[in-house]
Amino acid sequence: ETGVTQSPTHLIKTRGQQVTLRCSSQSGHNTVSWYQQALGQGPQFIFQYYREEENGRGNFPPRFSGLQFPNYSSELNVNALELDDSALYLCASSLGRGNSYEQYFGPGTRLTVT
Amino acid sequence: TQLLEQSPQFLSIQEGENLTVYCNSSSVFSSLQWYRQEPGEGPVLLVTVVTGGEVKKLKRLTFQFGDARKDSSLHITAAQPGDTGLYLCAGYYGNNRLAFGKGNQVVVIP
Repeated sequence: ETGVTQSPTHLIKTRGQQVTLRCSSQSGHNTVSWYQQALGQGPQFIFQYYREEENGRGNFPPRFSGLQFPNYSSELNVNALELDDSALYLCASSLGRGNSYEQYFGPGTRLTVT
Repeated sequence: TQLLEQSPQFLSIQEGENLTVYCNSSSVFSSLQWYRQEPGEGPVLLVTVVTGGEVKKLKRLTFQFGDARKDSSLHITAAQPGDTGLYLCAGYYGNNRLAFGKGNQVVVIP
């Protein structure tokens, strides 16, 4: 069984650019959550997708947007990149959207904005 | 505002010593989770504590949930270098939003 995978592993972008990060969920999982982990911090919830619909959003501006596809893989898009967007972006998949479902994390994408 | 406060933020000990790290909140949680994260990897769930006062053991790791369900502790007995990592506590707020603390960075020196 393949775990959660993310691509790319590392990415360097310039302030003002746009970026798309990708996540393949674990087989059978229909829910994907995205988190931002700045250096020295714990992960911060960005949003969650359940069966292709957004199912909750954290305190992030609209320039952070997402998408979930019919195969339950997901994308995180960030427009107008700022220096503070430099972080490790983690996605996690789960069997369902409720609190009782364990979230399985991918290795993350390290984004550096210069 | 951080929902979950973890202390100490950094802890370095010799192999074989014991250690305890803490996770505190002013809010009541229905459950708390502990994860371990190693460099270049995502967090991995270690345990979920649900009942106030609950104690769970995972080999040399002992997890306790406070009676009021506002705090938790993780105790490691006879720490080994393989225990090195960032320990994160997390709890749900709202239906599906997982809030994490900043983590306890543990370094076990051989």
